[in-house]
Amino acid sequence: QKEVEQNSGPLSVPEGAIASLNCTYSDRGSQSFFWYRQYSGKSPELIMFIYSNGDKEDGRFTAQLNKASQYVSLLIRDSQPSDSATYLCAVVNDYKLSFGAGTTVTVRA
Amino acid sequence: DADVTQTPRNRITKTGKRIMLECSQTKGHDRMYWYRQDPGLGLQLIYYSFDVKDINKGEISDGYSVSRQAQAKFSLSLESAIPNQTALYFCATRAGGAFDNEQFFGPGTRLTVL
Repeated sequence: QKEVEQNSGPLSVPEGAIASLNCTYSDRGSQSFFWYRQYSGKSPELIMFIYSNGDKEDGRFTAQLNKASQYVSLLIRDSQPSDSATYLCAVVNDYKLSFGAGTTVTVRA
Repeated sequence: DADVTQTPRNRITKTGKRIMLECSQTKGHDRMYWYRQDPGLGLQLIYYSFDVKDINKGEISDGYSVSRQAQAKFSLSLESAIPNQTALYFCATRAGGAFDNEQFFGPGTRLTVL
């Protein structure tokens, strides 16, 4: 079992809709969780992180964490064409990040 | 200037050649990482270093070696390149001391082994 698993995608959503991305992790001791966005051929850039159970909102993005279920998600509200990218979930264990394979999102105009 | 730089940005080499990818950072971070990315596989950790005297293997270290020449410099070497090492390679840095510190990535090196 991989340490970090993401829904495989690709995920296609119409402009203005909500995109929902899911991530599960295997290590119950994981301390914090990051969502990165990566445009094709570019380096990943941080969208947000979360380390407490519940929701965390930043603009159009909401991260949700449920440690009991070992589940973290990212919601993108009012999706825009510029949100079309691959989204990587990362989990901190022993002060290093483990990444999921990513979910590719396409926002249709 | 970019905080994390990688050289070269693109490299084409032949099977059996030794090559080195270099990473420099001006962020003052003590932790540095090398990842490779293959389509559909996300980022896989090759090696990481928490300070100049600390080097650790990651998930996929076979065929690779690293050198931490200074706090700001971390190099990745392929001793004898093979075609399945064709990938996008990223260097990253992170400050120590807190589990929620952001990890910053360099622009990447696209390596092709023929």
